Amino acid sequence: EIVLTQSPATLSLSPGERATLSCRASESVNRYLAWYQQKPGQAPRLLIYDASNRATGLPARFSGSGSGTDFSLIISSLEPEDFAVYYCQQRSKWPLTFGGGTKVEIK
Amino acid sequence: QVQLVESGGGVVQPGGSLRLSCAPSGFTFSTFGMHWVRQAPGKGLEWVAFIRFDGTAQYYADSVKGRFTISRDNSKNTLYLQMNSLRPEDTAVYFCAKNRGRAEAGDFDYWGQGTLVTVSS
Repeated sequence: EIVLTQSPATLSLSPGERATLSCRASESVNRYLAWYQQKPGQAPRLLIYDASNRATGLPARFSGSGSGTDFSLIISSLEPEDFAVYYCQQRSKWPLTFGGGTKVEIK
Repeated sequence: QVQLVESGGGVVQPGGSLRLSCAPSGFTFSTFGMHWVRQAPGKGLEWVAFIRFDGTAQYYADSVKGRFTISRDNSKNTLYLQMNSLRPEDTAVYFCAKNRGRAEAGDFDYWGQGTLVTVSS
């Protein structure tokens, strides 16, 4: 199966700062990578699909990039509601797999 | 708007069975593939199973293959997950999720709130 490794595990930042989250795949997933945000007690929310396409209604401060094995999610200026856990997920091959998550916490 | 409502979770002994249901609304259920994804307490997300829009194909994670069965009844607008031979490591919140596009191997654009399954003696 394709293993997705997210880094860092925890990102401690202040509101207004830029967040850069990384997701690395054990083999190429082309651009078939999605990003999700999950807050405590809530279901995940789709943010980005196919590496760089924003989901409906997603603020422009979120952007995704990458292809092959290396991907990034960038939040250009953190808002208070952005502090959460973020997961990447590949749909290139069965089984579908998720990364272990990056927690973005308030510094 | 799209809604997915899971039900059927609870406490079950190891080796027991449970059937989860998911009731979707706000979209044409019969035209989209559907997934189950789970999350053990304090852990990350794990994809469990997928079923094609017409029910003619299913895929499973190795961890549940042979024990879990995903199915759907498009006439009743309901998705199911039959879980047999349950193990303590199956303890998790189980989410149903809608496949975003028409491709089988998809991502998940809508999620339910989840139903908790606890496997314990």
